Amino acid sequence: AQSVAQPEDQVNVAEGNPLTVKCTYSVSGNPYLFWYVQYPNRGLQFLLKYITGDNLVKGSYGFEAEFNKSQTSFHLKKPSALVSDSALYFCAVRDMNSGYSTLTFGKGTMLLVSP
Amino acid sequence: DAMVIQNPRYQVTQFGKPVTLSCSQTLNHNVMYWYQQKSSQAPKLLFHYYDKDFNNEADTPDNFQSRRPNTSFCFLDIRSPGLGDAAMYLCATSSDGTSGGLTSTDTQYFGPGTRLTVL
Repeated sequence: AQSVAQPEDQVNVAEGNPLTVKCTYSVSGNPYLFWYVQYPNRGLQFLLKYITGDNLVKGSYGFEAEFNKSQTSFHLKKPSALVSDSALYFCAVRDMNSGYSTLTFGKGTMLLVSP
Repeated sequence: DAMVIQNPRYQVTQFGKPVTLSCSQTLNHNVMYWYQQKSSQAPKLLFHYYDKDFNNEADTPDNFQSRRPNTSFCFLDIRSPGLGDAAMYLCATSSDGTSGGLTSTDTQYFGPGTRLTVL
């Protein structure tokens, strides 16, 4: 079975400071990993994904994520946070070796960026 | 622009009164998904269509049904809504290139959601 853990319900950061939103995963095979962002009363917007290759993945709006196989982590990062980054962030995983699997989401982390 | 569209954005229904939510896409994706999302929780997959093949999650209540008359449209029918069915319903699509199974890496693209209120 595949699973995702987002250990923080909420992350608070001041505008201009770097931010990290944590994600760890568990799959039996190799993972496909995704980050989505959700603004209030909106659907999920795709930010970035890791399939294979370079462990540092760059995505939309200046976000990036680092895949760490030994720590089974895929933390989302941004060098300088903006107030407009405040939203709910979901990490998701898919097991590429399962032959048939859908996306499993973490419970989400609320990011609050203060001015 | 190619996109995933959900109608209506807000739906109010009465307890026990059937309701249908609509999703359409211009991405020509072969897979369509319906998720239920309750307040600030992770989206919960209800079912998905791989082309015309319907795949129901084991814990999806019988009260929820779906139809996909063609590639572009997918409907979520709630036969007798209860108060516990009040939630945001999200439609998503993806393009999966492996016949008979979801093994593609392609991203799921979500619509804006329909917020359902049950009175």
